[in-house]
Amino acid sequence: NAGVTQTPKFQVLKTGQSMTLQCAQDMNHNSMYWYRQDPGMGLRLIYYSASEGTTDKGEVPNGYNVSRLNKREFSLRLESAAPSQTSVYFCASSVNRGRGLFFGSGTQLSVL
Amino acid sequence: GNSVTQMEGPVTLSEEAFLTINCTYTATGYPSLFWYVQYPGEGLQLLLKATKADDKGSNKGFEATYRKETTSFHLEKGSVQVSDSAVYFCALMSNYGGSQGNLIFGKGTKLSVKP
Repeated sequence: NAGVTQTPKFQVLKTGQSMTLQCAQDMNHNSMYWYRQDPGMGLRLIYYSASEGTTDKGEVPNGYNVSRLNKREFSLRLESAAPSQTSVYFCASSVNRGRGLFFGSGTQLSVL
Repeated sequence: GNSVTQMEGPVTLSEEAFLTINCTYTATGYPSLFWYVQYPGEGLQLLLKATKADDKGSNKGFEATYRKETTSFHLEKGSVQVSDSAVYFCALMSNYGGSQGNLIFGKGTKLSVKP
C-alpha cells in the first residue's frame, strides 16, 4: 500500500533552474496539498486542490505553480528556483477538505 | 488570524518519564485539533485528533484533551519509550472562513528519549 508517493527524494538546483516535484496518491482521495517545511517554521501550505480540476493558493504560493493532472496526481513547479526555496517539500492528500491528511515522505530541495 | 503555538524544544527525557508538550491555539469558531508525529526521514503521521470541546483524542498511549476555555490541546504520555523520539506537531483545522478546511501547524517540538 503506497499511499502518497513523492519524487524525487533529493534534488539540488542552481539559482534560476526550473523543476517539477511529482506527487501521486492511490487512496482515491479528492483533496491534495503541497507544504514546505523549514527549520523553526513548522509546515506552511503552498497550494492545495480541494478536488480534481481546482487549485487554490495557500499561505506561501509565490514562486510556485501547481497542476492537478488528474485525481491521483498533483505536481508542484518551480519556474526559476531561488535559494529561499531551499526546503523540504511535502505532498499530502485527504478524503475531502476538512479531513485528516496523509503525507508523503518528502523531497529535500537545495537551491545553490 | 488562526495560529498554533507549541512549546519550544528540544525536550529530552529518560525512558518511562512523563511527557507533556503544550499547545495553545487562536481561531475563530470551533476548529478541529490534531497532533501529528514525524519520525526521522519520514513524512508526518496523524497521531490523534479531537473535533469538539472536551473531546479526548488518544492513540499509542498518547492523549490530548480539547480545552476550549483555555484554548489548549496539550499532548501527554505517561511513560515514554526510546521509540517515541520524533518531532511532534500540533495543528488546527478551521471550520470557518477563507481558510476553512486547511491545516495550520505549530513549529514542532523535538522529543528525544534516552535509555
